[in-house]
Amino acid sequence: KQEVTQIPAALSVPEGENLVLNCSFTDSAIYNLQWFRQDPGKGLTSLLLIQSSQREQTSGRLNASLDKSSGRSTLYIAASQPGDSATYLCAGTSSNTGKLIFGQGTTLQVKP
Amino acid sequence: DVKVTQSSRYLVKRTGEKVFLECVQDMDHENMFWYRQDPGLGLRLIYFSYDVKMKEKGDIPEGYSVSREKKERFSLILESASTNQTSMYLCASIGGLGTLMGASEKLFFGSGTQLSVL
Repeated sequence: KQEVTQIPAALSVPEGENLVLNCSFTDSAIYNLQWFRQDPGKGLTSLLLIQSSQREQTSGRLNASLDKSSGRSTLYIAASQPGDSATYLCAGTSSNTGKLIFGQGTTLQVKP
Repeated sequence: DVKVTQSSRYLVKRTGEKVFLECVQDMDHENMFWYRQDPGLGLRLIYFSYDVKMKEKGDIPEGYSVSREKKERFSLILESASTNQTSMYLCASIGGLGTLMGASEKLFFGSGTQLSVL
């Protein structure tokens, strides 16, 4: 059964730091991958989508990469801001089942 | 921008009540999904639909049913609400045909409905 692990589960950093969030799949057969942001009590907002033919995507201060050979993805946040405080979830589409599998998220707190 | 609208932000219901959660999307998306999110368990797929009047069971369909009479609307029904159905319910949609979810587009979520069953 495909499982997704996000490390760390929680992270607290001072404003301005660069940081990396990690996501790994037990089965490396991932078709594509998305990173989402979720604010407390709200829905998920898609941040970046790495499609099957891509290895990374960038949007502003965010960069996500996917290594299909290892089934690992990282989300890099540059120059973090208090407004980045939220929970970040990764989700991959399994090439074997076609199902979208979510990690449990990393809760980020950026302190002013 | 795609908009996925869930009819209620908060709902309080009593055990045994029939509960309807409504979701509407405005981007003519073929695929729509219902998830529930619980602390420590993450997001779990309840049902999804890839076309009007079509539905497929997700990972935890027991105690739920769905209806998709129109392309833009996907309803989740709790036939007889129970306390273990207290949860955050999230609706999502994505374009494209077929059942390979998330294939080439982003998945768009509604704001969620926090349901409490007393």
